[in-house]
Amino acid sequence: DAGVIQSPRHEVTEMGQEVTLRCKPISGHNSLFWYRQTMMRGLELLIYFNNNVPIDDSGMPEDRFSAKMPNASFSTLKIQPSEPRDSAVYFCASSIHRVDGNTIYFGEGSWLTVV
Amino acid sequence: GENVEQHPSTLSVQEGDSAVIKCTYSDSASNYFPWYKQELGKRPQLIIDIRSNVGEKKDQRIAVTLNKTAKHFSLHITETQPEDSAVYFCAASGDDKIIFGKGTRLHILP
Repeated sequence: DAGVIQSPRHEVTEMGQEVTLRCKPISGHNSLFWYRQTMMRGLELLIYFNNNVPIDDSGMPEDRFSAKMPNASFSTLKIQPSEPRDSAVYFCASSIHRVDGNTIYFGEGSWLTVV
Repeated sequence: GENVEQHPSTLSVQEGDSAVIKCTYSDSASNYFPWYKQELGKRPQLIIDIRSNVGEKKDQRIAVTLNKTAKHFSLHITETQPEDSAVYFCAASGDDKIIFGKGTRLHILP
């Protein structure tokens, strides 16, 4: 398996522009997570889905952020409009749901810079 | 909400010595505790995990311990090597959510 696939790997955009990050989870995994990593705040859980349904989006910073999972093999995280403080590495991760705890596998990350 | 505290934030040890990283969690319903290693510019990768029905688990030079009563868990690396230099994250999960500590930057000194 190719693992979790994210695109783009790197993006530099101007403040105010829309940013769309994409993720393909590992085939057969039914949980998908979006994390944001910064030096100051570490790895923050933004939102996660089970069976394509958003379960908890309490980590989404504000209305400028939205995430969708239209099917089991694709998810997007959108920032509109983007701001310099959104600069971070955005990781997508996936897992198979287990009642005794999920092992999550991360993608390579999308390195976002908003100037 | 759930919170995971991790200490220390930075740790330097002499090559060959042991390193210990400690974490505490707030949600008593947490039952799964993975540890991830992240090298510079790369993704976090699982190195070991422990579930709440187990108090200790070992894999070669790495061991984890769990004290559910105290809500503490720890990572122990013995006979450290240069390739152990990285950032280590602990995490706790009580349902589907996995909450991470802030990370420990481990430096192995020659």
